[in-house]
Amino acid sequence: GAGVSQSPRYKVAKRGQDVALRCDPISGHVSLFWYQQALGQGPEFLTYFQNEAQLDKSGLPSDRFFAERPEGSVSTLKIQRTQQEDSAVYLCASSPGPGKLFFGSGTQLSVL
Amino acid sequence: AQSVTQPDIHITVSEGASLELRCNYSYGATPYLFWYVQSPGQGLQLLLKYFSGDTLVQGIKGFEAEFKRSQSSFNLRKPSVHWSDAAEYFCAVGPSSGTYKYIFGTGTRLKVLA
Repeated sequence: GAGVSQSPRYKVAKRGQDVALRCDPISGHVSLFWYQQALGQGPEFLTYFQNEAQLDKSGLPSDRFFAERPEGSVSTLKIQRTQQEDSAVYLCASSPGPGKLFFGSGTQLSVL
Repeated sequence: AQSVTQPDIHITVSEGASLELRCNYSYGATPYLFWYVQSPGQGLQLLLKYFSGDTLVQGIKGFEAEFKRSQSSFNLRKPSVHWSDAAEYFCAVGPSSGTYKYIFGTGTRLKVLA
């Protein structure tokens, strides 16, 4: 597609539910990033893939968060047993190389 | 440690007035520097970026930014603000080679008075 696509656009989950957020990067982009943006804050790094390899997951806040990119294209961020503090906008970005980062519109997750 | 500081959480200006948003960074190597804008409910749109060369860079929507190495700053400016510029602005740093995470500031929310 022309840009980075994220789905769903909005997700409401009950506390304790598992959720899966999808990211379709720009075709051919090797690098893919997930960021978490809490209300009124800047994006915080979660994890980074180069092709299918997850090279950095230092930003994942707990072992309830898991990300994958099995074929080096589409990526899924999974949150198990969601908590209220997980409520945020989750942004995906892809990059063809240094200095070029393209963001999707994000998934707004609300945990009730 | 790598970090980005945007000291102004909120800024209010009148339409037609000039604007300067501040950004200071800490980064081990020479980074790429970025300014992004985010409208409510939207993703991040790149305004401009700097890596090397002329320290004054021009971006979209009439924005410009000046890199000052001695001050570790990359302030964003616009000579005359339009009501449509009301949004949140984020400064970020990223790797100049290889691939690594980009680090964002906490943002400055701009309000424009008619």
